[in-house]
Amino acid sequence: DTEVTQTPKHLVMGMTNKKSLKCEQHMGHRAMYWYKQKAKKPPELMFVYSYEKLSINESVPSRFSPECPNSSLLNLHLHALQPEDSALYLCASSRGPWDGDYGYTFGSGTRLTVV
Amino acid sequence: AQSVSQHNHHVILSEAASLELGCNYSYGGTVNLFWYVQYPGQHLQLLLKYFSGDPLVKGIKGFEAEFIKSKFSFNLRKPSVQWSDTAEYFCAAKGEYGNKLVFGAGTILRVKS
Repeated sequence: DTEVTQTPKHLVMGMTNKKSLKCEQHMGHRAMYWYKQKAKKPPELMFVYSYEKLSINESVPSRFSPECPNSSLLNLHLHALQPEDSALYLCASSRGPWDGDYGYTFGSGTRLTVV
Repeated sequence: AQSVSQHNHHVILSEAASLELGCNYSYGGTVNLFWYVQYPGQHLQLLLKYFSGDPLVKGIKGFEAEFIKSKFSFNLRKPSVQWSDTAEYFCAAKGEYGNKLVFGAGTILRVKS
């Protein structure tokens, strides 16, 4: 399995809703990432998990809450989002932050619309 | 601060034309460099990457890139583009011992058939 799987593919949520995005990989990668991509913009890093521990938080608002329950799974919990949070949320993984393989594998993303 | 800049936001070429997309980076120390492609409605795919060694890197689909350390550049090239190369291309970089991948703004390539 050489893929990063993200669910759901599309999500519409109200500003008072609580929802979660899920990301899964079975490549044995020990680093996982959340990126946000607005229309016609490059992906922007949000969070990095290394060996299931949060190592980078790019000053992301607390209405976004990441979680890494195990080495294969990465969640992004959403609460009280704003319409400007509407974007494509990308998950990625890499074998590890310190070893010799620095390739990143990206998922197809979750298209989030906040209404 | 670490940054990646791509010179052209939109490029339009005819089929069989040669392609060169510019990428410059600003990093202290050793840098790892990548080119990704995003076809319409699809996820990011790795075209090629450079870590060390031969500065001319060959990737998938006939793409190559040249790392020129003195110019802080990592330009993407293809001798003859096809209509199917229509996509957005992102240059990205990370420090040698970090795992924060920073993307350039992207270049939208449209190939006319």
